[in-house]
Amino acid sequence: EAEVAQSPRYKITEKSQAVAFWCDPISGHATLYWYRQILGQGPELLVQFQDESVVDDSQLPKDRFSAERLKGVDSTLKIQPAELGDSAMYLCASSFPLAGGPYNEQFFGPGTRLTVL
Amino acid sequence: SQQGEEDPQALSIQEGENATMNCSYKTSINNLQWYRQNSGRGLVHLILIRSNEREKHSGRLRVTLDTSKKSSSLLITASRAADTASYFCATDAGDDKIIFGKGTRLHILP
Repeated sequence: EAEVAQSPRYKITEKSQAVAFWCDPISGHATLYWYRQILGQGPELLVQFQDESVVDDSQLPKDRFSAERLKGVDSTLKIQPAELGDSAMYLCASSFPLAGGPYNEQFFGPGTRLTVL
Repeated sequence: SQQGEEDPQALSIQEGENATMNCSYKTSINNLQWYRQNSGRGLVHLILIRSNEREKHSGRLRVTLDTSKKSSSLLITASRAADTASYFCATDAGDDKIIFGKGTRLHILP
């Protein structure tokens, strides 16, 4: 069964260091999402791609976060420099929106647990 | 910002009992989805209900939607230990993104 892949699963870093997360969506899924989930909260959207284009990055802290999906397939989310408050689970999801139809379900990867010391 | 708000925040029931959790939201929606998240894992889609639907079933799950009250409920019948997880509602307001609530943490007691 096709799955969304994420790596690494866990990352521990010191504040002010740079970190990068990778996501490979389900083959054929045009839409890719990065979420941040703080412990005890629901996921919050950071950035949404449609193919290689950014559709929504309104909640992405652009002074330190960047995301790219150069060939419209896999994606990288980077934080530089990391801060203590960035400790969270970073989730990647993909979906295959039905053309002209209602929003489709999202398929999530296992996430990357980031701890900033 | 989070539109959906689940209630209760936490719920503990005996195995075999039914579990009901609710979701309230603020603005009009195209559809509402429920997801499950096991501890430390990604989310898994459970069910989607469209704004013109009132009730939907999937196995032991039953979802209702009341657009006049801007609320939805998820019922899990005959609960099992494997149902222990967090459950999130996610609303689609038609702007091509979904917004998750804070979730209900369900614990099934043996």
